[in-house]
Amino acid sequence: RKEVEQDPGPFNVPEGATVAFNCTYSNSASQSFFWYRQDCRKEPKLLMSVYSSGNEDGRFTAQLNRASQYISLLIRDSKLSDSATYLCVVNQEGGTGTASKLTFGTGTRLQVTL
Amino acid sequence: GAVVSQHPSRVICKSGTSVKIECRSLDFQATTMFWYRQFPKKSLMLMATSNEGSKATYEQGVEKDKFLINHASLTLSTLTVTSAHPEDSSFYICSATPLTSGYQETQYFGPGTRLLVL
Repeated sequence: RKEVEQDPGPFNVPEGATVAFNCTYSNSASQSFFWYRQDCRKEPKLLMSVYSSGNEDGRFTAQLNRASQYISLLIRDSKLSDSATYLCVVNQEGGTGTASKLTFGTGTRLQVTL
Repeated sequence: GAVVSQHPSRVICKSGTSVKIECRSLDFQATTMFWYRQFPKKSLMLMATSNEGSKATYEQGVEKDKFLINHASLTLSTLTVTSAHPEDSSFYICSATPLTSGYQETQYFGPGTRLLVL
């Protein structure tokens, strides 16, 4: 089983639509969780952290379910500029004296159309 | 703030040559820098973790003698791909964690270096 699993998509949605992405992770000891956005041939950029209580940033809402080891991202009122690949990222804390490591999912591709 | 640069942005080289990629944190000091590789339509895979003044920690399956990492200062880490072969062609991305990061260590990514080995 992959450490972080995502549906690769693509998700093709019209402008204004609401779209949801899901992600599961295998390591129950994972400590922190993120959604990154990656545009074609560019580096990933942090979209938002994901907290157990759920968090919202404008049109974006992230949820974490530790019991099910499941993370979600909801995008409301999709814009053309939201077209990108969304990466689910899990941070495993390192042991004493070692840095924590990010594990990336393969990403879910979103294409927003007119 | 928190800008990370990489140089070069793209490089084409002949098989058997070595290529050095630089990663710099421009406006912060980084305790740790990370090197990732991404093949087309695949996820980023961590290659190694680089700490200033000490040896890098390599992930399983990554040859340390092939991918030489030097982290000489708190703002610079280099990755040298030695005796490059076509299968080393990939997108190499570095990231850096600021000294003052809190519990959730934020990693800031460089723009990546696209390597093509002919």
